[in-house]
Amino acid sequence: AQTVTQSQPEMSVQEAETVTLSCTYDTSESDYYLFWYKQPPSRQMILVIRQEAYKQQNATENRFSVNFQKAAKSFSLKISDSQLGDAAMYFCAYTRDGATNKLIFGTGTLLAVQP
Amino acid sequence: GAVVSQHPSRVICKSGTSVKIECRSLDFQATTMFWYRQFPKQSLMLMATSNEGSKATYEQGVEKDKFLINHASLTLSTLTVTSAHPEDSSFYICSAELASGEILTDTQYFGPGTRLTVL
Repeated sequence: AQTVTQSQPEMSVQEAETVTLSCTYDTSESDYYLFWYKQPPSRQMILVIRQEAYKQQNATENRFSVNFQKAAKSFSLKISDSQLGDAAMYFCAYTRDGATNKLIFGTGTLLAVQP
Repeated sequence: GAVVSQHPSRVICKSGTSVKIECRSLDFQATTMFWYRQFPKQSLMLMATSNEGSKATYEQGVEKDKFLINHASLTLSTLTVTSAHPEDSSFYICSAELASGEILTDTQYFGPGTRLTVL
C-alpha cells in the first residue's frame, strides 16, 4: 500500500527566509503524481505545486519549488522569501496515475512564519 | 480556473435531523468528486468517491446509509448526513477532479469546506 510520511509536525521560519518541508512516500508504481497542498486557518485546501513522476525536472511555482528524488522517494517543498501569508498547514499527497485515483495524504506540517 | 464551491459553509442542526451539503465545480466538469472529513489538527480522511451517474464508492468503515452521496451531474455532488448525531460534528470537505483530456488531470481541487455542528 502507498504511504506518505511527513516527519516534521511543526516548522518555523523567519519572514524573507527560506524553509524546506520534507516528505517521503512509498509506492511500487512507476507513474504517479505528487502534490503539496496548503491549508491556511480558513481551512481552504489550496494546491501549491504538482509533480509528475515521469518528469525529471523539478516543478516550480514562483517562490515554491520542489526537490523530487524519485529513487529515494523523496519530495520536499522549498519556500523562498517566506511571507506571513505562507503560514499554514502543508500536506504532501500522492496519487497513482490513471482514472479516479485517491489522494493519499501525509499528516501535515504546520508552518509558522515569524515577522 | 478550477474553482469548487461548497454550500453551506456552516450548519448547526439538532440531533436526529438530516443535513445536505452541496459541492459544485464552477468552471469545469468533474466526472469524479471526493468527500473528506477532517478532525481538528488532523489530515483529511477520505469518506467516499463520487462518480457522475453511478453509485459512490465508500471507504471502509464509512456507513453508506448514513452518509448518502448523489452525483447527478458533471458539476454537482451532494452529501447528506442522515439522522445526524453529535459525533457527526466535523469539517467536511469536497474535491473535484478535472475530467480526462483537460489540463492538469489527476489533480483534485477542493471546496472551502462545511463546518457541521450537531446539537
